[in-house]
Formats: sequence, structure tokens, C-alpha cells
Amino acid sequence: SAVISQKPSRDICQRGTSLTIQCQVDSQVTMMFWYRQQPGQSLTLIATANQGSEATYESGFVIDKFPISRPNLTFSTLTVSNMSPEDSSIYLCSGRTGIAEAFFGQGTRLTVV
Amino acid sequence: GQQLNQSPQSMFIQEGEDVSMNCTSSSIFNTWLWYKQDPGEGPVLLIALYKAGELTSNGRLTAQFGITRKDSFLNISASIPSDVGIYFCAGQTVSGNTPLVFGKGTRLSVIA
Repeated sequence: SAVISQKPSRDICQRGTSLTIQCQVDSQVTMMFWYRQQPGQSLTLIATANQGSEATYESGFVIDKFPISRPNLTFSTLTVSNMSPEDSSIYLCSGRTGIAEAFFGQGTRLTVV
Repeated sequence: GQQLNQSPQSMFIQEGEDVSMNCTSSSIFNTWLWYKQDPGEGPVLLIALYKAGELTSNGRLTAQFGITRKDSFLNISASIPSDVGIYFCAGQTVSGNTPLVFGKGTRLSVIA
């Protein structure tokens, strides 16, 4: 399976600021997804990152708060905008090569103070 | 949206014991996947199942795709300390480019 490099691995940010998380895959993938995970909890899908077009967001997530880019088949970014302490979480990107199997980056642990 | 009911929520077992966990859904799934997540890491795929009734092994791990296509189980035999972690089931209700649905996870603790 492909390898996903995600950075930063962790960050502590001031409220009101924005953080951009990068996700780089070592091979082309058809699908990329962004998830949020509270510590010890399950994964919640934020959006599907579409190459060359706007991301598809899940209920409760909006583009203004979580803008996503995917300029090519191996790279995507997620920005957490105007952060508040409620945005403190683990953010994970995931890639898929056309079948259901999905692989994940190591995650970004975000703390907003 | 779709939901997966995963149980048990947590388990404490002795090293060497066998473990079983399962996921159920009210909807039919075309694919079942099992992941393990270690602290500070992303989930790692353990086993993927694509056909109803399919039974697949990966070392000491065995998983099955239920005949009704609404459930799956994961067994771990002869547990060892490195089995500690959170295990997630995940499924896809339709074939194609749809996101996975995840269960809430089973936290496994192994007592040496």
C-alpha cells in the first residue's frame, strides 16, 4: 500500500489563528479524505478531497471553516480556520487507490489554546 | 447516516488468551475492513473482506464477512502485549468512491 506523510505531526495554536495540514502520498491515489478524531474516539469524516474541484463536505463541516485543496493525485491540504479550543483534535488524512481499502497518515494532533 | 455498532467497547485480557470483537449494522455493506490504531499513529489496515461469508486470516488475526452482509467479526488468537491498541471496523455500503463508515472502536488491553 502507499505511504502517506502528514505534517505537522502536532501543533499548539492560538485561538483565532489558522493551521494548514499537509498530506503527501508516495504514489497516485484516486480518493483522498480528511477525518477528525477526538482522543479515544472514532473517526469522523470531514470531507472528500476532490482533485481539481471543490471538496465534498459532510454534514456539520463547511468550506469556510475547513478549506481543502487537492491540486494533484498525490497531495492535499486541510486548513483549520479561525480556530477555537473546540477544534482541538487529531486530524487524519486518508488515501485510497480505487477499492475500499484506505490507508492513513500518522495524524496531526492539534491543541488550540 | 450509516452507523456501525462495534462491541465490546473495551476488553482486558490475559496474555495468551483469544479475543473476539464484532460489528453490526442495520444496513447491508459491500466491504468490511478491520484497522488497528496505536497511540499517536493513524489506523493501520489489518484485514479487508469483500464477499459475504468470506473468512480471511492475517497471522493470528481472523476476520469474517457475515452471510447477511450486516456484520463482521475479528478474532485474535494467543494475544501478546503488542496487540494492545484500538481496533476499528469500517465498512462501505456501496461499491465505488464512497467514504468508509467507522465503528466506535474496541480498546484492547493485554495483561502480561
